Amino acid sequence: QKEVEQNSGPLSVPEGAIASLNCTYSDRGSQSFFWYRQYSGKSPELIMSIYSNGDKEDGRFTAQLNKASQYVSLLIRDSQPSDSATYLCAVKEGDYKLSFGAGTTVTVRA
Amino acid sequence: GAVVSQHPSRVICKSGTSVKIECRSLDFQATTMFWYRQFPKQSLMLMATSNEGSKATYEQGVEKDKFLINHASLTLSTLTVTSAHPEDSSFYICSAERLARGSYNEQFFGPGTRLTVL
Repeated sequence: QKEVEQNSGPLSVPEGAIASLNCTYSDRGSQSFFWYRQYSGKSPELIMSIYSNGDKEDGRFTAQLNKASQYVSLLIRDSQPSDSATYLCAVKEGDYKLSFGAGTTVTVRA
Repeated sequence: GAVVSQHPSRVICKSGTSVKIECRSLDFQATTMFWYRQFPKQSLMLMATSNEGSKATYEQGVEKDKFLINHASLTLSTLTVTSAHPEDSSFYICSAERLARGSYNEQFFGPGTRLTVL
């Protein structure tokens, strides 16, 4: 059974700081990795996808992937109160369905 | 990003009635769509995978005769909750899969449908 583990949080950071989110996965065959943001009462929104080892940057977000360690992370730089949400890590093997982590709740203190 | 719509956004119905939820990919074609359910403070639970032109694949424990899925076109999938009961009250969310650059597909979620069964 595919497993995706995340720290449930809550992760509280001051405004302007870096929020660091971690995710590990059990299936070595996983090939694509995603981070979704979900505000309370809303549906998930795709914010990052990564497929190759290393870093991928998009605005204030940086995803990091290390397939050897089966680890993927998300950094949020210059955190804003609007970043307060639950962040879901999702892992996919080939064309198969996504496996989601339980999510990490982030609170950015103004 | 890609746009996925869902209708209705909120529905309240009486116990025993059926409710149909529509999921549309507005600016791309989706051969595969997914239906999830989410209870308060819990993570997403995949209910079924919907493939255009074929029968849906249901996850273990999900009753296919209660949750009818139809994926009649490349932009539309529907979920019908038949004979709804209060325990079916939940947040139902669809997603549509789009082929991304680099050949890996990405899933984009609709806004969700909040179902309340009285």
